[in-house]
Formats: sequence, C-alpha cells, structure tokens
Amino acid sequence: RKEVEQDPGPFNVPEGATVAFNCTYSNSASQSFFWYRQDCRKEPKLLMSVYSSGNEDGRFTAQLNRASQYISLLIRDSKLSDSATYLCVVNIGDDYKLSFGAGTTVTVRA
Amino acid sequence: NAGVTQTPKFRVLKTGQSMTLLCAQDMNHEYMYWYRQDPGMGLRLIHYSVGEGTTAKGEVPDGYNVSRLKKQNFLLGLESAAPSQTSVYFCASSYRVSGINEQFFGPGTRLTVL
Repeated sequence: RKEVEQDPGPFNVPEGATVAFNCTYSNSASQSFFWYRQDCRKEPKLLMSVYSSGNEDGRFTAQLNRASQYISLLIRDSKLSDSATYLCVVNIGDDYKLSFGAGTTVTVRA
Repeated sequence: NAGVTQTPKFRVLKTGQSMTLLCAQDMNHEYMYWYRQDPGMGLRLIHYSVGEGTTAKGEVPDGYNVSRLKKQNFLLGLESAAPSQTSVYFCASSYRVSGINEQFFGPGTRLTVL
C-alpha cells in the first residue's frame, strides 16, 4: 500500500467553481501535512501546510482528519491560474523526510 | 538568491554510460535531497543528506551514488545508466527546523537513457 494516495483526476472545472479533493495516508504516526503545487514540467512548490484545526489561505482551505487519516484541499472561486497538479505530502517520523502522493490534476476552463 | 539550481537541465545517455547531476543551493540549508519523478508516481526519494559530509539512502537508492563535500552542493551519480533510470530528477533543500519542512526544489533534470 502506498503511504500517500490521491485521486489523480483530472478535475475539470469552470472558472469560478469550487473544487475539492482528498488524499489518504497510511501511517497513523504521521506528524506534518502539506499541499504542494506543481505546474506542468516545473518543480513542486509549497502551497500550504495543513494544521490540525484546519486552515485557510485566501481561496484555499485545507483540512486534516486524523481519525480517518485523510487531508483535503478546497479551492473556491477557481481561476485559470489554479490549473496545476496538487501534491499531497506527509512527513513521517524524521522531520526532514517527506512522502509525496502522485498528485491530483486540476484544470480550470474559461 | 538563485535558490536551488540543477545542472544539466536535459541529458540523453546510452545504456552503460555514467554521469553526474549537480545540485547547488545558496540558502545555507542543512538538508538536501534527490528525488525522481515518474508518470503516475509521486516523487520518490533516492538519497538525502542532513549535513556536509553525510549522506543516507532513501526509498530507491539502487544504481545511484551521492556526495556532499560542500554544504551548498549535492551530487548525484549514475555509474552505469539503465533505461529504468529514465526520469525527471529533482533536487531539493530545506532548513533544519523541527516541525517545519518546506522543501525548496530545483527546476529538474530530464534524463533519458536509451
């Protein structure tokens, strides 16, 4: 079983729509959680960390459900520029090692 | 600041050839990493380093070697390239701060082994 699993999508949404997707992780000892964004053929970049109480960053909301071992990302009022692959990332054990999901692709159309 | 840079950006090798990928960071980060990314799979950790002069194996270390002689540089070597090593290679670095692990990535090296 993969440590981090994501629905690969693609999620095709019109501009202005809300899109949400989840990621599950297998290790209950996971400590830290993140969403990274990766544009086509580019390097991943940190989008946001995910805190136990849930957190927002502008149009982006991340939630953590430790009991069910999943995290979610919701994007409100989608923009064309939100088209990307979103990587779910989990830290397991040592602070400096991360496990990456394969990514969820979101395409926002005009 | 340039951040994390990788050399080369593209390379085509024949089976059995060797090469070295260079990663450099100017952020004074303690930790550095080499990943490979293949279609449909997440980034997989090849090797990593927690400081100058130290290296450790990641998830998929076979066929690769690394060295970190200087804090700012992390080299990935392929001694005898195989077609299975065709991939996009990303280098990353991060601070040594407990609980905070934003990794900063280089632009990647696209390697094809024929």
